[in-house]
Amino acid sequence: DQQVKQNSPSLSVQEGRISILNCDYTNSMFDYFLWYKKYPAEGPTFLISISSIKDKNEDGRFTVFLNKSAKHLSLHIVPSQPGDSAVYFCAASATYSGSARQLTFGSGTQLTVLP
Amino acid sequence: DGGITQSPKYLFRKEGQNVTLSCEQNLNHDAMYWYRQDPGQGLRLIYYSQIVNDFQKGDIAEGYSVSREKKESFPLTVTSAQKNPTAFYLCASSTPGRPYEQYFGPGTRLTVT
Repeated sequence: DQQVKQNSPSLSVQEGRISILNCDYTNSMFDYFLWYKKYPAEGPTFLISISSIKDKNEDGRFTVFLNKSAKHLSLHIVPSQPGDSAVYFCAASATYSGSARQLTFGSGTQLTVLP
Repeated sequence: DGGITQSPKYLFRKEGQNVTLSCEQNLNHDAMYWYRQDPGQGLRLIYYSQIVNDFQKGDIAEGYSVSREKKESFPLTVTSAQKNPTAFYLCASSTPGRPYEQYFGPGTRLTVT
């Protein structure tokens, strides 16, 4: 049972345009959402996050939107640059006691930004 | 330079052998994690540890074992009981102040034939 889904395995966008990556989740206990970026043969790097008490978080060219009623979040990259080409993973976490948090990841979307 | 190191980057083993993957961090993070990534799939949690000498099973712990004798180190042993051990293994850590934001190592690609 996939609790976090990224239904688009790939996305191609022209340089300078907006990239929109989507993610859906089913577990209503998730209270924190993150996006990670991954290059081949490397570990993912944290990009941006959002708490469930917010509906938008912005960091430079990256903005994450959360629609709790639809259990949907999206990552907008504006403007897209060729260096943004990577696999983007959506991840979600539920409240848990202790210092560790279990993240549930989606299957990833390969973004290709065309020059 | 703080970070997470995983060694080796590529590892080859024969079926039936146990193999231990190394993970070291100098970020002074309390929590550490092991994930597995298979082609076309997201990361799946194998084990995690909140403090030294304590660890919990993740979603796919069968066939794996871990230890946490030092804060900096969280080695993962892939045992012969793991049915499909060939995968990309990622270690991560996090700090109590920002537990959701996990920092990942470069990964180890394990191939078992």
